[in-house]
Amino acid sequence: AQSVTQPDIHITVSEGASLELRCNYSYGATPYLFWYVQSPGQGLQLLLKYFSGDTLVQGIKGFEAEFKRSQSSFNLRKPSVHWSDAAEYFCAVGASSSNTGKLIFGQGTTLQVKP
Amino acid sequence: DTAVSQTPKYLVTQMGNDKSIKCEQNLGHDTMYWYKQDSKKFLKIMFSYNNKELIINETVPNRFSPKSPDKAHLNLHINSLELGDSAVYFCASSQRGYQETQYFGPGTRLLVL
Repeated sequence: AQSVTQPDIHITVSEGASLELRCNYSYGATPYLFWYVQSPGQGLQLLLKYFSGDTLVQGIKGFEAEFKRSQSSFNLRKPSVHWSDAAEYFCAVGASSSNTGKLIFGQGTTLQVKP
Repeated sequence: DTAVSQTPKYLVTQMGNDKSIKCEQNLGHDTMYWYKQDSKKFLKIMFSYNNKELIINETVPNRFSPKSPDKAHLNLHINSLELGDSAVYFCASSQRGYQETQYFGPGTRLLVL
């Protein structure tokens, strides 16, 4: 069965510092991977997605993620965090075996940014 | 223009009541979804419709009934509300396919007393 694990429930970084949010997935076939961000009181917004090709994916707001098949990981990174990046971050895997668009989400990582 | 809108934004009600949440998208997508986000922020899909046809129906109590009058609307009706139904319910839409980006509404915060 598909699953997504985000090992870090809560992360605090200083503004200007680099960031890495971890995501591990379990899926037998080719995974389709997504990172979404949820600002307080808002819906989710797509940051980036990976289907195939270059394993380093660029997204919006200066985020990037790297797909590592050998480690079953899709970690999200940003070189310099801004206070406005404080939010909830969700990693998700989509099932290529069906065409329903079903996403399995991780439990989320809360990012706090210190001034 | 709001791409995916939900009404109401907040819903406070008593146990045992019946309530509906409405969702509309103006993106021209043919697939819509309902997700439930619990108090620990865990997000789980409940239902999905493609062109008014139900294509995902997860293990959800049958007190929850989705209805799609057309491909731009997906409503969620909940009968006999229970305390455990308190959550944030998100509507989303996309083109059909596992590669497609899902666009989320702002959520409906349901509190059952």
